Amino acid sequence: QAGLTQPPSVSKGLRQTATLTCTGNSNNVGSQGALWLQQHQGHPPKLLSYRNNNRPSGISERLSASRSGNTASLTITGLQPEDEADYYCSAWDSSLSAWVFGGGTKLNVL
Amino acid sequence: QVQLVESGGGVVQPGRSLRLSCAASGFTFSSYGMHWVRQAPGKGLEWVAVISYGGSIKYYGDSVKGRFTISRDDSQNTLYLHMNSLRAEDTAVYYCARHNEIAVAGNDAFDIWGQGTMVTVSS
Repeated sequence: QAGLTQPPSVSKGLRQTATLTCTGNSNNVGSQGALWLQQHQGHPPKLLSYRNNNRPSGISERLSASRSGNTASLTITGLQPEDEADYYCSAWDSSLSAWVFGGGTKLNVL
Repeated sequence: QVQLVESGGGVVQPGRSLRLSCAASGFTFSSYGMHWVRQAPGKGLEWVAVISYGGSIKYYGDSVKGRFTISRDDSQNTLYLHMNSLRAEDTAVYYCARHNEIAVAGNDAFDIWGQGTMVTVSS
């Protein structure tokens, strides 16, 4: 199944802003929106954002999500050491009748 | 508190079967759809299957279609994944995750995750 496209890695400095992207097509991100997950090494994923920019309770306001056409974005401001993790996007694909994931982006906080 | 606990993983030979379980607590299990998602060692997340609340709707990823079956027992608050004809490429940590919306295509998904159970397919 074709997945969503994410850059393998992004590196930013402490207190800087990182924007992670996730590109799909009109059958998934473009129509259904995307959600974002964070995963630290050795731990299960954690939901950060759903339906493009809804944050579950307890998720930092430094995180915001958006969508433009077939590309979803996750922006993290004021980067902290604990933001260093893998980030995955996901969406329902109406043509595949399946959920699809991006390959993940490793965010390095320098 | 809201919790999902997977079990049933282990080492299994190629071609054999295995059944994974996911015990839910702290929420009304029967009211939620549920997913299985896997992660091969050092790799990204791969969606495996979803089952709707009530169990009438099921969807599968292409790599497991015809070999894996997702099911649920609401009386036991338990989700299952029956895996047949296992292959080396099925080796992964298997997570169960909650779907927080009535429609399994709804975007409010994967809000609660278990810790995962490791499945190793090897002779």
